[in-house]
Amino acid sequence: QQQVKQSPQSLIVQKGGISIINCAYENTAFDYFPWYQQFPGKGPALLIAIRPDVSEKKEGRFTISFNKSAKQFSLHIMDSQPGDSATYFCAASIRGTYKYIFGTGTRLKVLA
Amino acid sequence: DTAVSQTPKYLVTQMGNDKSIKCEQNLGHDTMYWYKQDSKKFLKIMFSYNNKELIINETVPNRFSPKSPDKAHLNLHINSLELGDSAVYFCASSYRGETNIQYFGAGTRLSVL
Repeated sequence: QQQVKQSPQSLIVQKGGISIINCAYENTAFDYFPWYQQFPGKGPALLIAIRPDVSEKKEGRFTISFNKSAKQFSLHIMDSQPGDSATYFCAASIRGTYKYIFGTGTRLKVLA
Repeated sequence: DTAVSQTPKYLVTQMGNDKSIKCEQNLGHDTMYWYKQDSKKFLKIMFSYNNKELIINETVPNRFSPKSPDKAHLNLHINSLELGDSAVYFCASSYRGETNIQYFGAGTRLSVL
């Protein structure tokens, strides 16, 4: 119940395309869902986050779509750029607690 | 100014040795974490301290011992290093609150030979 399943494991997208990464969870107590971006040799950094009371959140080219009934959420990267090439992690947390449960990561490569 | 800084960045050592990794944050946060990232990039929480009190202690061998001398520092000491300890170790910090956004350091790559 504490797992967050992430797919795909790796993704190759052409420049200008849309990158889509999906995550699913079981624990309905989760109420905060951040996405982290990690470049090689660096630590993960918060990209965008959502709470389950909204179905979508957009920040620039990055959008989270959230489906509470299906217990799924996804990251969409519009107009993908080579600079977006990184590993992306979804996570889930219970508000007010300290623990993040991370997904297994998706390595995104955007071809120039 | 680096918000969460870890030292050293790289650590190469022999099996059986004892080593320490240090972490400092200058964000004024009250909670700090240690994560282990294995070769498949999987991020797993190991420990967390809030105001110097241990609040998360996952299933980690007792060869790993965290120490938090104050809110801004969290160190990780590893005894009797094993090959399987080779990984990247990340320190993170957050401020206890609704979202608990965690800020990560750049990591320490530990290689046990």
